[in-house]
Amino acid sequence: DTAVSQTPKYLVTQMGNDKSIKCEQNLGHDTMYWYKQDSKKFLKIMFSYNNKELIINETVPNRFSPKSPDKAHLNLHINSLELGDSAVYFCASNPGSGGAQDTQYFGPGTRLTVL
Amino acid sequence: GENVEQHPSTLSVQEGDSAVIKCTYSDSASNYFPWYKQELGKGPQLIIDIRSNVGEKKDQRIAVTLNKTAKHFSLHITETQPEDSAVYFCALASGGSYIPTFGRGTSLIVHP
Repeated sequence: DTAVSQTPKYLVTQMGNDKSIKCEQNLGHDTMYWYKQDSKKFLKIMFSYNNKELIINETVPNRFSPKSPDKAHLNLHINSLELGDSAVYFCASNPGSGGAQDTQYFGPGTRLTVL
Repeated sequence: GENVEQHPSTLSVQEGDSAVIKCTYSDSASNYFPWYKQELGKGPQLIIDIRSNVGEKKDQRIAVTLNKTAKHFSLHITETQPEDSAVYFCALASGGSYIPTFGRGTSLIVHP
């Protein structure tokens, strides 16, 4: 079974809409992340949560709001979508006991296309 | 924050050849150095990692070497196969940080 799962896999929407991406991990990890991967494959970290608490917000516009209802879930809500938000978004987790010094387990990604 | 430079951005080899990807960094506090492989349409997956107290680590056809003095680490793939074709990312982290830093990726193409 997939350790880190994301839904949906593909998301096509119009500019100005609000959309959410869901992420769940069944590994019992304490730390979860959201990454954005642009068309040049650059992986940029957006947020990091540890035990449902926000640890890092890497200068992401406040149109992006992560929500962690419990430590197995980290959802990403995006308001007023813009063309530049088109990218692949990856959720990831790690055990958290070593901070970033542990393996990152990535989900399969959500390809967001804003028209 | 930490910086890491990854080279080359694209690497094309013939099946059976070796491939080497190198990353250099600036923060001497970095002490964890993983390598991830991303196949088309999938998320990155860890293939090998090394910590600062070790100079080299091997796992079958894959090896990673670390030179802490010169601040660089490299991924070596021997006897490449077409299924090794993917984007490879180096990354690093230091103690107490929750933010890993990723290189910009190397697209490896193995021609049969």
